[in-house]
Amino acid sequence: EVQLVESGGGLVQPGGSLRLSCAASGFTFSSYAMGWVRQAPGKGLEWVSAISDSGGSTYYLGSVKGRFTISRDNSKSTLYLQMNSLRAGDTAVYYCAKDVGRSGCYDYWGQGTLVTVSS
Amino acid sequence: ESVLTQSPGTLSLSPGERATLSCRASQTVSSRYLAWYQQKPGQAPRLLIYGASSRATGIPDRFSGSGSGTDFTLTISRLEPEDFAVYYCQQYGSPLAFGPGTKVDIK
Repeated sequence: EVQLVESGGGLVQPGGSLRLSCAASGFTFSSYAMGWVRQAPGKGLEWVSAISDSGGSTYYLGSVKGRFTISRDNSKSTLYLQMNSLRAGDTAVYYCAKDVGRSGCYDYWGQGTLVTVSS
Repeated sequence: ESVLTQSPGTLSLSPGERATLSCRASQTVSSRYLAWYQQKPGQAPRLLIYGASSRATGIPDRFSGSGSGTDFTLTISRLEPEDFAVYYCQQYGSPLAFGPGTKVDIK
């Protein structure tokens, strides 16, 4: 059974940093691209970032480029999102998602972790 | 940048009725890279349809997708009580974008 479990969310002040983790199991992690998708309270889905199966290619939403860094450790089957210079507009539930292949279509999602940026 | 528009914003129907949801892209969706997701309150999204018309694993056949180019449709043939939710379309590949969603609620 595929499982994705996010952790690392919480309350942070504007300008602060957080590192999200996503522990994966139930599939060959190193064979699939992965992504992060967020959802602000009461709003729709917004793709944030994606990484190739090897980690050699990364992609970002324009508004987070230069502030967020996606990475993965295939030996630990874990995906990360390092978030720096956080803004109030980054407040959202962040979902980790498994790609169907390497296209940005996501067939499995974690339960999400809430990031709140507020003073 | 591709923008997806979904209509209607809210669809009020009764169990057993047919639901037709529309998704329109501002640019042609190449290779029919169009997906549909279902999301219930407090839950993560669930992939229903990919490649515009292929059902994901375990999705009942009352869900069907169609369309090409810039116009796509998700049809639920007969609404079950568990189908009342928000539905998002997504263009994937490059560019990648989600639509704003259509809420299907009980009439």
